[in-house]
Amino acid sequence: DQQVKQNSPSLSVQEGRISILNCDYTNSMFDYFLWYKKYPAEGPTFLISISSIKDKNEDGRFTVFLNKSAKHLSLHIVPSQPGDSAVYFCAASVGAGNMLTFGGGTRLMVKP
Amino acid sequence: DAGVIQSPRHEVTEMGQEVTLRCKPISGHNSLFWYRQTMMRGLELLIYFNNNVPIDDSGMPEDRFSAKMPNASFSTLKIQPSEPRDSAVYFCASSPRDRGGDGYTFGSGTRLTVV
Repeated sequence: DQQVKQNSPSLSVQEGRISILNCDYTNSMFDYFLWYKKYPAEGPTFLISISSIKDKNEDGRFTVFLNKSAKHLSLHIVPSQPGDSAVYFCAASVGAGNMLTFGGGTRLMVKP
Repeated sequence: DAGVIQSPRHEVTEMGQEVTLRCKPISGHNSLFWYRQTMMRGLELLIYFNNNVPIDDSGMPEDRFSAKMPNASFSTLKIQPSEPRDSAVYFCASSPRDRGGDGYTFGSGTRLTVV
C-alpha cells in the first residue's frame, strides 16, 4: 500500500513552458513534504520542501503547492529547461526530522 | 567532503549467490538509510539506523535481506541467497540527526543484477 503516489510515470514538455508534476498521499499524519530530483547514474538530490503550515513555497523557477484537504501536492517548474530533464520524486514525512516515504517518481523530459 | 560512498557501482551475480552492498556515510551524520529503487515501486525504504542502531527494518522484504552498521562510518546490506527479483538499484543515504528530509544525502547507488 503506497502512501505516496505519483500517478504519471512520465511527462514531456517543451522548453520554456511550465512543467507540473503531481503527487498524492494517503497518510494524514504526513506534515512535511519534499521533492527530490534524480539524474541517471546519480542518487536523488533535494530540490524543495514545504511544511503543512504553508500552502506554497517558491525557490527560483521551482514552486511547490500543497492542498492538505485534497492530500495533494504539485511541483511547478517555469520556465522549463532541458537541464531539468530528470526523474522527480515526491516524498513525505511525519515531522521534519523523520524518515521519508517516497513516491514512484515521474520522468520529466524537456524538449529543446 | 566525498559525500556518501557506495560500492560496488554495479554487481552482476547468479541466483543463489550472496551479495554484499557497502556504504560509507558522510562523517558526522547520525542517520543512515537503505533504499531500493524499482520500476514498479519507485524508492522503497528498506531499513534505517540512528547512531548505528537499527530503528525500523519493516521495509526489508524477507529474511534473505540483512543490514548491519558496525560503526558510524560503515554499513552493509546483504542478500543471501539472491534471486532475480532482487535486481534493482540500491541507494544508501545519510542525514544529520536534527535535520529533516532536506538533509538527506544519497550515494550514487549500486545497480544489482541477479541472473
